[in-house]
Amino acid sequence: EDQVTQSPEALRLQEGESSSLNCSYTVSGLRGLFWYRQDPGKGPEFLFTLYSAGEEKEKERLKATLTKKESFLHITAPKPEDSATYLCAVQASGGYQKVTFGTGTKLQVIP
Amino acid sequence: GAVVSQHPSRVICKSGTSVKIECRSLDFQATTMFWYRQFPKQSLMLMATSNEGSKATYEQGVEKDKFLINHASLTLSTLTVTSAHPEDSSFYICSAFSGVADTQYFGPGTRLTVL
Repeated sequence: EDQVTQSPEALRLQEGESSSLNCSYTVSGLRGLFWYRQDPGKGPEFLFTLYSAGEEKEKERLKATLTKKESFLHITAPKPEDSATYLCAVQASGGYQKVTFGTGTKLQVIP
Repeated sequence: GAVVSQHPSRVICKSGTSVKIECRSLDFQATTMFWYRQFPKQSLMLMATSNEGSKATYEQGVEKDKFLINHASLTLSTLTVTSAHPEDSSFYICSAFSGVADTQYFGPGTRLTVL
């Protein structure tokens, strides 16, 4: 069974204080790993898809990296508007589009 | 691009009534859509996979007779909560799979409250 574990559960940062969120996964053949951002009371917003170990993707202050066992979401010089819950999900190979989500990391950036 | 809408965004109903939630992919076609349920401070729980033109595939423990799913077109899937009870109160979120982007895009969610 596919599993996704995210840590920490919650993270509080000062504005400008860089950090990383972790997503550890076990899957029977990784087809893709996804990062989403979710604001309270809203649906998840797509950030990145990573397909193979060593791959990196960037968007503004966010950079996602992938190894064979985990992914990191690096946040550089965060701003208060980066406060949200960040969700990681994996999709197994085999042609099925179902993904398995982690429980998320709730990030709070304090001015 | 890749916008998914849900309607209604919020609904309050009496126990025993049925509620229909619509999920639309506005700028792409989706042969596959997904329905999730999210409890407070928890992650998304997949309820079912909706395939255009065929029966939905339900996850273990999800009552197919209670949560009716119809995927009538490549841009529309509906979830009907039948004979709703207070324990059905939750945040329901749909997603649509874009084959072009190889990604699921999510709707804004529907907050259901059953009195």
